[in-house]
Amino acid sequence: RKEVEQDPGPFNVPEGATVAFNCTYSNSASQSFFWYRQDCRKEPKLLMSVYSSGNEDGRFTAQLNRASQYISLLIRDSKLSDSATYLCVVISLISTASKLTFGTGTRLQVTL
Amino acid sequence: GAGVSQSPRYKVAKRGQDVALRCDPISGHVSLFWYQQALGQGPEFLTYFQNEAQLDKSGLPSDRFFAERPEGSVSTLKIQRTQQEDSAVYLCASSLERIGFRETQYFGPGTRLLVL
Repeated sequence: RKEVEQDPGPFNVPEGATVAFNCTYSNSASQSFFWYRQDCRKEPKLLMSVYSSGNEDGRFTAQLNRASQYISLLIRDSKLSDSATYLCVVISLISTASKLTFGTGTRLQVTL
Repeated sequence: GAGVSQSPRYKVAKRGQDVALRCDPISGHVSLFWYQQALGQGPEFLTYFQNEAQLDKSGLPSDRFFAERPEGSVSTLKIQRTQQEDSAVYLCASSLERIGFRETQYFGPGTRLLVL
């Protein structure tokens, strides 16, 4: 089983729709979680951190479920410009070092 | 600009050739990371520097891969005797502090390596 798993998609949704992605992680010692966005042939850029209490930034909401070991990203009122690949990142403490693991990404395509 | 820069942006190498990829992190950033991203995959961790010290190189796929950051700023990833499976985008990222639980990483545009 991969340490961090995502549904690769693609998720094809119409403009204005609400869409949600999940990301599961296998290491219960994972400490921090992030969502990054990566446009085609571009570098990943931080979208938002994911906190235990959940957090919201405009149309984007991130949630963490430690019991079930997954994080989620909800996008409301989808825009064409939201079309991208969404990568989840998990940071785990391994002995005294931290390890970053990226998921394979979920591709979102928003259409007219 | 003040972002992470990488050079070259594109590199075509013949199998067996050595290549060197450069990363200029954001000035003052302590941590520097190298990742390998194959087509359709997420970035895979290769190695991590805190200043000039290479604290983790567990992700380097073979001893043909070598990274250095001698003065704690610019870093070079060297691949010796390149193989076709080395073809990927090599991403560099930096962050302000040591690898931390809430530390944002800023990525460079990547170097696309194609080994023929």
